[in-house]
Amino acid sequence: DVKVTQSSRYLVKRTGEKVFLECVQDMDHENMFWYRQDPGLGLRLIYFSYDVKMKEKGDIPEGYSVSREKKERFSLILESASTNQTSMYLCASRGTGGIVYEQYFGPGTRLTVT
Amino acid sequence: AQRVTQPEKLLSVFKGAPVELKCNYSYSGSPELFWYVQYSRQRLQLLLRHISRESIKGFTADLNKGETSFHLKKPFAQEEDSAMYYCALGRTAGGYNKLIFGAGTRLAVHP
Repeated sequence: DVKVTQSSRYLVKRTGEKVFLECVQDMDHENMFWYRQDPGLGLRLIYFSYDVKMKEKGDIPEGYSVSREKKERFSLILESASTNQTSMYLCASRGTGGIVYEQYFGPGTRLTVT
Repeated sequence: AQRVTQPEKLLSVFKGAPVELKCNYSYSGSPELFWYVQYSRQRLQLLLRHISRESIKGFTADLNKGETSFHLKKPFAQEEDSAMYYCALGRTAGGYNKLIFGAGTRLAVHP
């Protein structure tokens, strides 16, 4: 069974703080993704990574950065958190075999920025 | 532009009633479409994909290229079907395989 874990289930931060969201997968997947999930907007892709140290912008990368130093770990960084970044953040991973578009999701981190 | 539209935010039905969750897409190539589901307090997971033409938990979805639709159907809803459902379109851009998700439809099945 694929396991994708996220470091925190709930997080409360202040405006201007630097925030790190961590994601770890145990299936040796090459591809990892960060989404934010908002009511009425669905899931929107922030960044993804197809290999260690490689990253690509998704549809809404502004205000975010990522880091992938090890294959199993993909971090999302909010350099200076703002209230409009209050959201549910989902991490996902996918291997290169099997169903091309089947992504395995973590439980999510609900971030509140006050 | 590539887009997935789920016109209903909430679909409320009684147990035993038929269910149809609507999904329309716009895509210039040959689409690959999926339904993902998120039950309460569980993680998002793949429910079914059009290419396999399978029935999962009694749900089916047929790709209609003429109407650019991929509606999810079940003849008799169960309370355990209550969840958030997302339609998703697979796309390849710049050599990378990504998903575009719709806004989601919450299905509420009442006893």
